[in-house]
Order: sequence, then C-alpha cells, then structure tokens
Amino acid sequence: DVKVTQSSRYLVKRTGEKVFLECVQDMDHENMFWYRQDPGLGLRLIYFSYDVKMKEKGDIPEGYSVSREKKERFSLILESASTNQTSMYLCASSLLPGQGEKLFFGSGTQLSVL
Amino acid sequence: DAKTTQPPSMDCAEGRAANLPCNHSTISGNEYVYWYRQIHSQGPQYIIHGLKNNETNEMASLIITEDRKSSTLILPHATLRDTAVYYCIVRVRNTGGFKTIFGAGTRLFVKA
Repeated sequence: DVKVTQSSRYLVKRTGEKVFLECVQDMDHENMFWYRQDPGLGLRLIYFSYDVKMKEKGDIPEGYSVSREKKERFSLILESASTNQTSMYLCASSLLPGQGEKLFFGSGTQLSVL
Repeated sequence: DAKTTQPPSMDCAEGRAANLPCNHSTISGNEYVYWYRQIHSQGPQYIIHGLKNNETNEMASLIITEDRKSSTLILPHATLRDTAVYYCIVRVRNTGGFKTIFGAGTRLFVKA
C-alpha cells in the first residue's frame, strides 16, 4: 500500500517561529500537495508540486513556501508563523495523469501557533 | 473551473443503501469525477472515480448521468463505520498537472 508519512501528528509553535512540516511518500509519485483544513472551510490547497524542484501555488499560498528537493519529500514552510495558521495540515501524493490520479493522504499534522 | 454542489448532510439507516448526490453542471468533457471520504481525525480516503460510464468497486458504485452534469455515490449496505464526510470532486487541469479542489462535502450519518 502507498504510504504518505507526515513527520508530526501534533505540533505547537510560537508566533514568529519558522516552522517546517515534512511529508514523505514511498511510491515514487510525481505529484505532491499540501492542504490545510479548518472547521467550516473544508480542505484548501496551499501549494502543489508535479516534479522535483517544481512548485505551483494553490488557492491560499500566502504566508507559506514549499521545497521539493527530492521526489519523495515535500516540505511546507511557514516563514513566520502566525496564530491564523493554526490548522490541520494534510499532505497528499498522486501519480501523473493517465496513471491513476487518485490522491493518497497522510494522517495530518495539527499545528497550534500560540 | 468546474464546481460541485453537495447537500451539507444526510442520514442513512444501517444496512440500507446510502445515495449521495453531487451536481457538477459545468463539468467539461475531459474532467473526471472523484469521490473521497474523510473519517474524523484522519486524512481523506479515495473511494472511486469515473468519466462517463458507471463504475463499481469493493467500496461503492458511481452513477454518472448521461449529460455528466450530476452523479450519485452509492454505498450499497451502509455500516456505522461509513459515517464520514464525503467529497465529490472534479479534477481541474492546471499548468503542469492536475490539482484537486475539495468542496464542503456531505456529512453522512449512519444510524443504528
């Protein structure tokens, strides 16, 4: 089975800290995604990447950046964490279109910014 | 971009079929319909997808209308463990690949 692993299940950080959320997938998938999920707002796409060193903005990229130096790893970076970035963060991966585009999700990281 | 519309919540009796509707009236010819579900405190899980033919797998069936403007996910014998939020999604092509946009979904309550 495909496994998408997020480094932390729960994380507590202080306002202004630089935060790294790590995601690793073990199935050689081309595409990787970062979403955040908030009550009443559903899942919102932050960034995605369809190849190593490639990235594209999703719907809410402000305040975030990403890094994809290796195919299996996609990192989400909060340059200066703020309280409104308290959320559940979900990483996902998928194969290229035409090869089965279904998304595989990690278990999520609940980030609290105090 | 094609958007989807789903009822915010539905109830279903355990053992009965759960029929979850989705409207995607602006879908274009090469866009697929995907269904995912999310059980509390877990990441979403893929259920099924289709283009224009009806599809069935071990989890569910997907019925897509001939004009492709709507679809229905059918869980043939719902159990308590099927209580979850169900998302109907149309895949949107962006430069370099597809991105998946999630709506609010339908919260399905399966009751004993």
